[in-house]
Amino acid sequence: GEDVEQSLFLSVREGDSSVINCTYTDSSSTYLYWYKQEPGAGLQLLTYIFSNMDMKQDQRLTVLLNKKDKHLSLRIADTQTGDSAIYFCAEGYGQNFVFGPGTRLSVLP
Amino acid sequence: GAVVSQHPSRVICKSGTSVKIECRSLDFQATTMFWYRQFPKKSLMLMATSNEGSKATYEQGVEKDKFLINHASLTLSTLTVTSAHPEDSSFYICSAGTPNQGYTFGSGTRLTVV
Repeated sequence: GEDVEQSLFLSVREGDSSVINCTYTDSSSTYLYWYKQEPGAGLQLLTYIFSNMDMKQDQRLTVLLNKKDKHLSLRIADTQTGDSAIYFCAEGYGQNFVFGPGTRLSVLP
Repeated sequence: GAVVSQHPSRVICKSGTSVKIECRSLDFQATTMFWYRQFPKKSLMLMATSNEGSKATYEQGVEKDKFLINHASLTLSTLTVTSAHPEDSSFYICSAGTPNQGYTFGSGTRLTVV
């Protein structure tokens, strides 16, 4: 079946860039999403990219999609302590979602 | 790794009937479970947050009498859609976990009300 993988942990220093990676298996995905979950809270949609795009930039966030390798990344520029959270990658096909396990981002002072 | 089982994966029910969706954490205890609904061409919408042993906290606009949530144990939460209508047809997904260990998503349930 469909599968989405992410590394589970990432630590960066405040002010550095963070890059969270994700790989997926379903080539029929139409959209790929990045969600953020802060402690005790539900998911927050950060950004998404249509599968025929290579890159999308939104303020400090840059999403890169390599469709050939089925690889998605989220880059957070100038990472702040408020960016500490769990980041979920998800692929969407039709009206279904498959989520990755989430990457816990820790921002060190 | 943590596994969350959601059942059923697909269900078709008649208007006016109720349908129950289960979310189970198979190999860990989940103090918190979230229930989401996905609307067509939109992102997931958080419906409610369910903490074991206490009443669920519903998001604004979600009818608690229509979407009954029970989190009776650390491994099971249920969402019951009561008196279902065709507009309740959607994709429902749960996630389970703890603040310290993070959350895992279920595989989702496609509900069709006819």
